[in-house]
Amino acid sequence: SYELTQPPSVSVSPGQTASITCSGDKLGESFAFWYQQKPGQSPVLVIYQDTKRPSEIPERFSGSNSGNTATLTISGTQAMDEADYYCQAWDTRTGVFGGGTKLTVL
Amino acid sequence: QITLKESGPTLVKPTQTLTLTCTFSGFSLDTRGVGVGWIRQPPGEALEWLALIWWDHDYRFSPSLKSRLTITKDTSKNQVVLTMTNMDPVDTATYYCAHSPDTSGYYDFWGQGTLVTVSS
Repeated sequence: SYELTQPPSVSVSPGQTASITCSGDKLGESFAFWYQQKPGQSPVLVIYQDTKRPSEIPERFSGSNSGNTATLTISGTQAMDEADYYCQAWDTRTGVFGGGTKLTVL
Repeated sequence: QITLKESGPTLVKPTQTLTLTCTFSGFSLDTRGVGVGWIRQPPGEALEWLALIWWDHDYRFSPSLKSRLTITKDTSKNQVVLTMTNMDPVDTATYYCAHSPDTSGYYDFWGQGTLVTVSS
């Protein structure tokens, strides 16, 4: 079955840039989506179709997808961005989530 | 304004069948391109994609759970129902339903989730 691999954790200092990767075979040939989940809350869509950002999501969130890797980038990271982040993609006939990355802002 | 809400039992016994209902508002599941999906998350673990049903009754299942899942929609009631057979303690999780706005298959609105515990 298709797998998406994310680093378990990423740390970043406030104001710096955080990059979270999502790797999968030929991932760049399909769309990648990203969700943010804070403790006790439902996931929130932050990036869709590789690079698009919902209107309510701050501009500091951006995405890219090429080759085997999709990347979520948070520029000027703020304390409120500390959360778990999940990538999602499709493999032929089914969706799949990555294992999630815990972003720590310290 | 799109909202979704999951309902169903909070406790099921091993081997029983789980039936979850997603009741939604703010959109029609008759609209071309729209879908409703189910996702679960065991306590402290990652999200797991389960199933999705499209406006045209087409549907997709996770390969690992395909033999245990059924998904249906009732457009008149604005509901999607997921059933999972032969429940096991490892199926203990928060189950979410979510709205998919187009055929690329992402989720832009999520329900609050419902915790289902499998225990005798």
